[in-house]
Amino acid sequence: QSALTQPPSASGSPGQSVTISCTGTSSDVGGYNYVAWYQQHPGKAPKVMIYEVSKRPSGVPDRFSGSKSGNTASLTVSGLQAEDEADYYCSSYAGSNNFVFGTGTKVTV
Amino acid sequence: EVQLVESGGVLVQPGGSLRLSCATTGFTFNNHALHWVRQAPGKGLEYISGISYDGQDTYYVNSVKGRFIISRDKSKNTLYLQMGSLRLEDMAVYYCARDSSGCLDYWGQGTLVTVSS
Repeated sequence: QSALTQPPSASGSPGQSVTISCTGTSSDVGGYNYVAWYQQHPGKAPKVMIYEVSKRPSGVPDRFSGSKSGNTASLTVSGLQAEDEADYYCSSYAGSNNFVFGTGTKVTV
Repeated sequence: EVQLVESGGVLVQPGGSLRLSCATTGFTFNNHALHWVRQAPGKGLEYISGISYDGQDTYYVNSVKGRFIISRDKSKNTLYLQMGSLRLEDMAVYYCARDSSGCLDYWGQGTLVTVSS
């Protein structure tokens, strides 16, 4: 039940790309293809941006992409825009009907 | 339109009890597992409890096990979280969320639980 590890912060200029890592274990990230990424603006509820490692929900720009290798998942935001400035959290299914979240990354544009 | 609306967050003293509700509309309630996630002021998201689509299986993170009970009422399309023996560290915004394809695809707006004497 330990939180997944994310870098506390990441930044990039408009138009650049930023990649956030999310490191877990073989019991969560490495064991399931149910990694998701959430965007949270201040005072708002989280919004899913990526699910099942690399799938985008309808309405999420294709600037957002996800991948996974072993126990580490990654979120890449390409062509950064001002509205991408937010907190980002990864999550993974961890078996037995439960999830675990990452520590969160503040992205500054 | 899928909606989840939490309610029940109030100011409560340490050691007190509280029940949160999450009223849902816009989807087939019995088809989805549901979950509670909390966020302490200025902190990250913490997954705390989940319940299967049929209510038969539940899960609790260690920090709330034995103090919180998750349940669901299909006649009211509502999810609940009964919280007891509340501690200062339980103070947070509590979100309910729907489970779909291994992610939490719809969230409520959150309800604030304040624990203070």
